[in-house]
Amino acid sequence: AQTVTQSQPEMSVQEAETVTLSCTYDTSESDYYLFWYKQPPSRQMILVIRQEAYKQQNATENRFSVNFQKAAKSFSLKISDSQLGDAAMYFCAYRSKGGNQFYFGTGTSLTVIP
Amino acid sequence: DSGVTQTPKHLITATGQRVTLRCSPRSGDLSVYWYQQSLDQGLQFLIHYYNGEERAKGNILERFSAQQFPDLHSELNLSSLELGDSALYFCASSSRPNSEQYFGPGTRLTVT
Repeated sequence: AQTVTQSQPEMSVQEAETVTLSCTYDTSESDYYLFWYKQPPSRQMILVIRQEAYKQQNATENRFSVNFQKAAKSFSLKISDSQLGDAAMYFCAYRSKGGNQFYFGTGTSLTVIP
Repeated sequence: DSGVTQTPKHLITATGQRVTLRCSPRSGDLSVYWYQQSLDQGLQFLIHYYNGEERAKGNILERFSAQQFPDLHSELNLSSLELGDSALYFCASSSRPNSEQYFGPGTRLTVT
């Protein structure tokens, strides 16, 4: 079974600075999808960004970008110009192509310091 | 707003009881997934339905069951409840097997 590991239970960043959250995964598949979800204190799960494994170009959504290293099975999330509203739990998730379930990491709690 | 709705928002019940959680996916989405998130934990996948058929099972207890109806809404039934079943239960939907999931707001279940 695929596993997703987030080795940083907690991270903090100064407002307006940049922070990188780490995620590694284990799979024998060649085609799959990776996601970052944000869970603010409201507990709503919000999709932040998605990456398709067959695309070499790193995905970007405004201040959020990923560093996808397929060979290393690494999928980190970079948040630029951090804002107070970015404070949340961030989950990395894996889905195989055509797969029927997602695998989630244990999450990284991000604190933004004013 | 993701377009996925879940009812009720909160549920408080006693041990040994049975409850039903309801989920309506986004318009047009055929897949529904159920997850359990215990306090300060990650998401545990429970079960996936696609167009009325069960597609995958995760760490779902035998006391739990689910179904997806012809109108694509889904229900998660939890029976013989235990204190440890207290958690946030999320439903998510997606349009295709390889697309991202959109999550509902969750149902917070408290078993006393």
